[in-house]
Parts: sequence; structure tokens; C-alpha cells
Amino acid sequence: AQKITQTQPGMFVQEKEAVTLDCTYDTSDQSYGLFWYKQPSSGEMIFLIYQGSYDEQNATEGRYSLNFQKARKSANLVISASQLGDSAMYFCAMREIPSNTGKLIFGQGTTLQVKP
Amino acid sequence: NAGVTQTPKFQVLKTGQSMTLQCAQDMNHEYMSWYRQDPGMGLRLIHYSVGAGITDQGEVPNGYNVSRSTTEDFPLRLLSAAPSQTSVYFCASSYSLDPEDTQYFGPGTRLTVL
Repeated sequence: AQKITQTQPGMFVQEKEAVTLDCTYDTSDQSYGLFWYKQPSSGEMIFLIYQGSYDEQNATEGRYSLNFQKARKSANLVISASQLGDSAMYFCAMREIPSNTGKLIFGQGTTLQVKP
Repeated sequence: NAGVTQTPKFQVLKTGQSMTLQCAQDMNHEYMSWYRQDPGMGLRLIHYSVGAGITDQGEVPNGYNVSRSTTEDFPLRLLSAAPSQTSVYFCASSYSLDPEDTQYFGPGTRLTVL
């Protein structure tokens, strides 16, 4: 069975500094996708970044990058130059490829607080 | 562009009452799904649909029904509400099941069952 583990319930970072949010996963699938979502206090889920298990290069989207280490089964999110608006809960998720259900398996989340 | 909309935003029910959570998307997405979010447990899949007229069960379907009569709408029905169904409910949609097609989430419905 697939499982996502986020071991950091809460993190603090100083504004303008970089921060890494940890995510490890467990799966027996050969192909899978890894995702990060942001959930601000307003409650909506916002897609941030996607990494396919078959992608050789780490994914990047603006200030977000995904540090993908397949052998270690980790998919950490790196946020560069943190902003106050980055304060939110962050979820790591995965999905098998191909998928008949589209089901995302989510971790428990990490709350990030950016200090001015 | 409205994206994925959900109504209501908040709802309080008494045990045994029934209700329907509404979800609509205007992006012509084939795939739609419902998740529930409970504290410390992330999100779990309730039901999903790969197109109009096609629905199937997810991880935690008991106590919920869905239908998909149009591409745009995917309502979630609680047949007889129980306190264990107190949760935040999210609807999501994507163009297809290709994982590179982003799943967009609605704003959520916070449901309390007394």
C-alpha cells in the first residue's frame, strides 16, 4: 500500500530565507507521481508542484522546487526566499501511474510559519 | 473563471438528517472527486467520477452517495448524517486521469453533525 509521511508537524522560517519541508513515501509501484499542495488558513487546496517518478530532473515552479531522491524515497519541497504569504499548511501527496481512480494519497501535513 | 465551486461553505446538521453538498466546475473536466479532511489524517477519497454517468467508490464511501448526470456537476449526498461525518469536504477536478493534469480543488465545505 502507498503511504506518505511528513514528520514535521510545524516549521518556522525567517522571511527571505529558504526552507525545506520533508516528505518520504512508500510504494511498490514502479511509476508514480508526487505532488505538493498548499492550504492557507482560508482553507482551499492550492497545487504547487508535480514530479513524476520517471523524471530525471527535479521539478521547479518559480520559488518552489522538489528535491526528489528516488533511492531514498523522499520528495522534499524547497521554498526559496520565503514570504509572509507562504505561511500555510503544506501537504505532500502521491498517485500511482497509471491510475484508474485518480486517488491521491496525502500525508498529514506540515504547518509553516514565516516570521517577519 | 470560476474553477471549482462548492456550496454551502458551512453546514450544521443533526444526527439522522440528510443533505447534499454541491460541486460544480466550468473547465470541462472529465474527472471529478470528493475528499474529506480530518485533523491529523490528511485527505481521503470518498467517491470519484471519470465522466458523466460514471461513478465509483473511493477509500471511505460508506454513508455517502454520488451521481454525475452532467460533466459540470458532481453532488455528494449524505443519506443519514452521523457525528463521524463531521469533517471538511473538498471537491476536485482535472481534465483527465493523467497525473500531469493538475487536480484543482474547490474551497471546501465545513460540515458539523451534532
